[in-house]
Amino acid sequence: DAGVTQSPTHLIKTRGQQVTLRCSPKSGHDTVSWYQQALGQGPQFIFQYYEEEERQRGNFPDRFSGHQFPNYSSELNVNALLLGDSALYLCASSFGDQPQHFGDGTRLSIL
Amino acid sequence: QKEVEQNSGPLSVPEGAIASLNCTYSDRGSQSFFWYRQYSGKSPELIMFIYSNGDKEDGRFTAQLNKASQYVSLLIRDSQPSDSATYLCAGCYTSYGKLTFGQGTILTVHP
Repeated sequence: DAGVTQSPTHLIKTRGQQVTLRCSPKSGHDTVSWYQQALGQGPQFIFQYYEEEERQRGNFPDRFSGHQFPNYSSELNVNALLLGDSALYLCASSFGDQPQHFGDGTRLSIL
Repeated sequence: QKEVEQNSGPLSVPEGAIASLNCTYSDRGSQSFFWYRQYSGKSPELIMFIYSNGDKEDGRFTAQLNKASQYVSLLIRDSQPSDSATYLCAGCYTSYGKLTFGQGTILTVHP
């Protein structure tokens, strides 16, 4: 039973570029949440998708957007990348009131 | 004031000892609490979750919740070197929504 899978594992971009990160939830899960984790900090909530709609959003600018597909997989898009966007991006999936389980993350570096 | 605060680390305990990790939260609306373990360079792994006041035990781990004092703790009995990691405390309004994380406590268990 595959867990939460994210791709790519590492990514290097330059300022001003755009990036798309992908997440496939654990089998049986229908809710996907995205978090940003800077070095030495706890994860910060970006947004959560359920039934292909953004259900909840954290304090992130509109440069951060997402999508959920009918198969429950999800994408995180970030436009106009800034140096401060360098972080580990984590996807977590869940079902109903069960706890969220995290994927291995995508490490994004901005040059 | 941070919404979720963890006791400052790093915390160092000898092998076989009890490690005590503490967390306070400011939002009385928080209903659910989670402890995740994160090894260096890896993603958070769920250890325990607790919704009700009192203690919840799972193997060597005990989570404690006191909603009146807005306090959550994790006890690790018979600590092992493999328990050395960063421990993240998170709170949630519901059981399925946004997780608000503390900054993490680094635990080192030395032989």
